[in-house]
Amino acid sequence: ETGVTQSPTHLIKTRGQQVTLRCSSQSGHNTVSWYQQALGQGPQFIFQYYREEENGRGNFPPRFSGLQFPNYSSELNVNALELDDSALYLCASSPPSGRRVSEAFFGQGTRLTVV
Amino acid sequence: GDSVTQMEGPVTLSEEAFLTINCTYTATGYPSLFWYVQYPGEGLQLLLKATKADDKGSNKGFEATYRKETTSFHLEKGSVQVSDSAVYFCAQTGNQFYFGTGTSLTVIP
Repeated sequence: ETGVTQSPTHLIKTRGQQVTLRCSSQSGHNTVSWYQQALGQGPQFIFQYYREEENGRGNFPPRFSGLQFPNYSSELNVNALELDDSALYLCASSPPSGRRVSEAFFGQGTRLTVV
Repeated sequence: GDSVTQMEGPVTLSEEAFLTINCTYTATGYPSLFWYVQYPGEGLQLLLKATKADDKGSNKGFEATYRKETTSFHLEKGSVQVSDSAVYFCAQTGNQFYFGTGTSLTVIP
């Protein structure tokens, strides 16, 4: 059984650019969530996808968007990057349990640096 | 709304000392509770969980008991090792995961 994998592991972008981060969920999991973890902070919920539809969103602006594909993998897109977007972005997949998350398995994260 | 409050760090202990990291939660329903651990440069690893009141989660010598009456889920270990040095996050579920701010633990030989 493969775990949650994220790509790339590290990324450097310039302010104003756009970025796409990718996540392959654990086998059998149909829910994917994305979190932003700033240095020294706990993860903050960005949004969640359940069966290819957005199912919940945290306090993040619309320039943060996502997709979930039929194989339950997911992308996080961030437009018009700002310096404060520099963070570790974590993807988590969860097994089927309806719309309420019961547990989550995290990937290793993508470290995004905006300069 | 739902939230998790976690003991602030950093915490520094000598090897074989007793560890307690406090965690309390606020929830509208009956959440599951978790402790995750994060080693430097890595993602979050599930350490233990409890899904209902009075459940005790345990793993690798760590324990936490779901206390509904005090809305707490404190993490304990009887004898810490240098390899336990990491950041520990308390979390609860709702429609998403709510994390505490993390507690950094350093264990010195």
